[in-house]
Amino acid sequence: DADVTQTPRNRITKTGKRIMLECSQTKGHDRMYWYRQDPGLGLRLIYYSFDVKDINKGEISDGYSVSRQAQAKFSLSLESAIPNQTALYFCATSDLPGLASNTGELFFGEGSRLTVL
Amino acid sequence: GQSLEQPSEVTAVEGAIVQINCTYQTSGFYGLSWYQQHDGGAPTFLSYNALDGLEETGRFSSFLSRSDSYGYLLLQELQMKDSASYFCAADTGRRALTFGSGTRLQVQP
Repeated sequence: DADVTQTPRNRITKTGKRIMLECSQTKGHDRMYWYRQDPGLGLRLIYYSFDVKDINKGEISDGYSVSRQAQAKFSLSLESAIPNQTALYFCATSDLPGLASNTGELFFGEGSRLTVL
Repeated sequence: GQSLEQPSEVTAVEGAIVQINCTYQTSGFYGLSWYQQHDGGAPTFLSYNALDGLEETGRFSSFLSRSDSYGYLLLQELQMKDSASYFCAADTGRRALTFGSGTRLQVQP
């Protein structure tokens, strides 16, 4: 089984629908992230969480919300999906202990491809 | 703002050496990471440089110059399986990595 699991892997939906992407991890990491990937734009940070009570907006949080249900679970919601939210979404985890001693390693799930029509 | 610049595409032949450059402009900098992503797959960690100099891991090496805000990934003895996208990512101290837009490497026979 994968250490970081995302569901669903693929989803097609219509404009205005509510969508939830789920992420669970077995690595025991406190830090979890949601990134969005668009062609030519790399990975952009949507939200991140360092524990269940610490949730922070990333650079492109508008139109998204998150929930950290437990250390191992971090969900991304689109309350009312729109076509420009069509993208590949990645969940990631890390155990970065601190700013100066980390190795810069994130562990990614396999991605959730979302298409909004 | 935070920005990392990489070439969009690089082409090289099997067995050759290729260098993928990354220049960054960030407010705060602690280190530079490199990730590989095959089509349809997840990014996977390759290397991390916190200090100036060269880090070698098998056929891959990564270099950092803080004074020049510059780093590169060096891939030697290229193989067809190295065809992928490569991303540099900066730890700016803002609690999450900031990624470049990626370089698509195509290895030709």
